[in-house]
Amino acid sequence: QLVLTQSPSASASLGASVKLTCTLSSGHSTYTIAWHQHQPDKGPRFLMKVTSDGSHTKGDGIPDRFSGSSSGAERYLTISSLQSEDEADYYCQTWGTDIHWLFGGGTKLTVL
Amino acid sequence: EVQLVDSGGGLVQPGRALRLSCAASGFTFDDYAMHWVRQAPGKGLEWVAGISWNGGMIDYADSVKGRFTISRDNTKKFLYLQMNNLASEDTALYYCAKDIHSSGWYADSWGQGTLVTVSS
Repeated sequence: QLVLTQSPSASASLGASVKLTCTLSSGHSTYTIAWHQHQPDKGPRFLMKVTSDGSHTKGDGIPDRFSGSSSGAERYLTISSLQSEDEADYYCQTWGTDIHWLFGGGTKLTVL
Repeated sequence: EVQLVDSGGGLVQPGRALRLSCAASGFTFDDYAMHWVRQAPGKGLEWVAGISWNGGMIDYADSVKGRFTISRDNTKKFLYLQMNNLASEDTALYYCAKDIHSSGWYADSWGQGTLVTVSS
């Protein structure tokens, strides 16, 4: 069964870097995922897609501070030079059979 | 610029119905699949339903199957979600989302959301 697993929370200091992880369930390590940012009182925002070979393609206007990578069944979102506005929930998302989407549980990022 | 404007939310009693709409602009609407995603209070994002570019492929989350119907009007560039027999568990912010593909890959644009509250 296809499942995306994320840690519920993460924190890092202003100006530092943080690496968020999304883990694909066994047997699904080749899947491409997308990362989305969800700030309070706003609609979610597409950040990038990350493939199994680690390449990433960002959405329009996403700063260079955001990057993606992969290792095995893990897909990463790295945010460098953290800013206060990066405090948000981050979700990974993929797709299954037909037109079915799947989301990870989300990681709440706190910028200290 | 892609724009998705969600509307139709409100306060509704359990067992009643509501129809959500999503007005799309800034892209060729009938080239892409579209989806509804919701977020219940204190919870994460939950995919609700998806529809391919021409409506030929439709799927629902198990939690709404048999009660919700997704549809689209490619002429008017609108996405709809007909929600019947609503329950308190359906209380959430509902977002429409544009797929990057015609038949279901991942979201690359989102609406601002419309709030549905199911309560007596």
